[in-house]
Amino acid sequence: GAVVSQHPSRVICKSGTSVKIECRSLDFQATTMFWYRQFPKQSLMLMATSNEGSKATYEQGVEKDKFLINHASLTLSTLTVTSAHPEDSSFYICSVEGGWTEAFFGQGTRLTVV
Amino acid sequence: AQSVTQPDIHITVSEGASLELRCNYSYGATPYLFWYVQSPGQGLQLLLKYFSGDTLVQGIKGFEAEFKRSQSSFNLRKPSVHWSDAAEYFCAVGDPQAAGNKLTFGGGTRVLVKP
Repeated sequence: GAVVSQHPSRVICKSGTSVKIECRSLDFQATTMFWYRQFPKQSLMLMATSNEGSKATYEQGVEKDKFLINHASLTLSTLTVTSAHPEDSSFYICSVEGGWTEAFFGQGTRLTVV
Repeated sequence: AQSVTQPDIHITVSEGASLELRCNYSYGATPYLFWYVQSPGQGLQLLLKYFSGDTLVQGIKGFEAEFKRSQSSFNLRKPSVHWSDAAEYFCAVGDPQAAGNKLTFGGGTRVLVKP
């Protein structure tokens, strides 16, 4: 299966700053990646669909200007949390679309905004 | 819109005992069904999936799940639990009619294993 690497695994930032999270597909060309958010002790909620070479598609209620997604190549999608606030603290997970056989998930990034 | 319900938030089971995790879904037809496991602070690992055919699906780590159309359920089972099975388990559904494999997740069930 595809190997998906997320970086960083943990990040602490000050309120008002921006944080970039990378999702790399190491051995699979991913035209589509997904970004999920997981609040403590809750399930994963899809934030957006990242499409290589085009704009991301955001789920209802997700602010596209706050969560900037760039999918410039077939192996890399980035999520930038802009002007982060404590309520943005969460676990962010990306996945790579490998067809319906399986969705391959990254290890996740725990963001803490202080 | 599809939805997934995992009625049990926590389950505690003794090592060696059997385990069953419940999953019910709401969807107009038969969705694609998945079970994932998440260890603390980690990403998700696929345990098994159902698309069509035999309703009893075998997965990794000794897990199996049974699709019951009449009950809109896809319960996960393991005959004998090991301490390493302590984790969070997520049931998920995908829409076969949709472009791309976006998944809708249930709320998760946290499994604790007693020695």
